[in-house]
Amino acid sequence: GEDVEQSLFLSVREGDSSVINCTYTDSSSTYLYWYKQEPGAGLQLLTYIFSNMDMKQDQRLTVLLNKKDKHLSLRIADTQTGDSAIYFCAESIQGYSTLTFGKGTMLLVSP
Amino acid sequence: DAMVIQNPRYQVTQFGKPVTLSCSQTLNHNVMYWYQQKSSQAPKLLFHYYDKDFNNEADTPDNFQSRRPNTSFCFLDIRSPGLGDAAMYLCATSRDRGNEKLFFGSGTQLSVL
Repeated sequence: GEDVEQSLFLSVREGDSSVINCTYTDSSSTYLYWYKQEPGAGLQLLTYIFSNMDMKQDQRLTVLLNKKDKHLSLRIADTQTGDSAIYFCAESIQGYSTLTFGKGTMLLVSP
Repeated sequence: DAMVIQNPRYQVTQFGKPVTLSCSQTLNHNVMYWYQQKSSQAPKLLFHYYDKDFNNEADTPDNFQSRRPNTSFCFLDIRSPGLGDAAMYLCATSRDRGNEKLFFGSGTQLSVL
């Protein structure tokens, strides 16, 4: 079955790097996504990676995918207080229209 | 400019009193989704429309219904809300099905008294 697991909480200092981890169980996952949710708001797509890639970089964001271990990570360089939010990992499977989300990791950035 | 708009932002209803949440989109996307998100939980898909084709998730209670009168609008109807239905309800759209990026609205926070 589908299951996406994330650690619940991460605290970092402004300027440090943040690494948010995610594990998934379905080996047929095709795309893996990172969404950001600020308080009282909907989810905003940050980045995504296709399952045949190992890494994707987009400005301050770096996504690493280890298919063998079914492990996905999101690294945020030079973390800012505005990055404080809940980050959701999600997977989709070829041929299916829906995403499976993790429970989210709350990132708290302190000055 | 918001592309997926949900109204109202906050909704309070009474136990057992029907309530309707609305969603509209300016993206002309084919697919519209309704997710339920409870505190500290992952968003849970209730159902989605692919154009006019309604797709219910197997574990979505019968208490939840949806309507999509046209491409732009989609409604979530809760026929008899219970205390356990208090949650954030998120509407999302995607251009098509299958590995598509989702665009979310800001959500409607539903309280049941």
